Amino acid sequence: AQSVTQLDSQVPVFEEAPVELRCNYSSSVSVYLFWYVQYPNQGLQLLLKYLSGSTLVKGINGFEAEFNKSQTSFHLRKPSVHISDTAEYFCAVGGSEKLVFGKGTKLTVNP
Amino acid sequence: DVKVTQSSRYLVKRTGEKVFLECVQDMDHENMFWYRQDPGLGLRLIYFSYDVKMKEKGDIPEGYSVSREKKERFSLILESASTNQTSMYLCASSSGTSGRVGNEQFFGPGTRLTVL
Repeated sequence: AQSVTQLDSQVPVFEEAPVELRCNYSSSVSVYLFWYVQYPNQGLQLLLKYLSGSTLVKGINGFEAEFNKSQTSFHLRKPSVHISDTAEYFCAVGGSEKLVFGKGTKLTVNP
Repeated sequence: DVKVTQSSRYLVKRTGEKVFLECVQDMDHENMFWYRQDPGLGLRLIYFSYDVKMKEKGDIPEGYSVSREKKERFSLILESASTNQTSMYLCASSSGTSGRVGNEQFFGPGTRLTVL
């Protein structure tokens, strides 16, 4: 069975500060890892994904994530956030027939 | 661009009513999914389908059924709506190439259902 743990349910930061949203997963098979973002009153959209190859994955809007197999983590980072990054972020793992999502982290960027 | 549309953004129904939520995708995707999203619980998979007339139960299928008569359309049915089915419902689709994994899921905007 696969599972995802997002370690923080809420993360408040100030504008232009760096941010890291943490994600740990468990899986007994090869994994594919995803980060999605949900802006208020919208569906989810893909930020980035890791399928294979380089462990550092770059996504849209300046986000990046690093796959760490030994620590079973896939943390999302951005060096300088904007007000417009305020949203809910979901980590997901696939490897069998479907994706398993974490419970989400609400990022609030304050001026 | 892939587009996934859902028939309603907001829906209010009464307990015991039969409710249909419709989802249509325009990218010829094989796979389609229905999730419900609740605060603090993330996304939970209700049902999914890998092909026309195919369906498989997800993690929380109780109280729901689905229908996929055409490749582009996947319907979620609440046979007798109850107040605990008040939630945000999200539809998604993905390509079936290269197996069923590793392919991005594309999401619709969601339907916020309130059952009174």
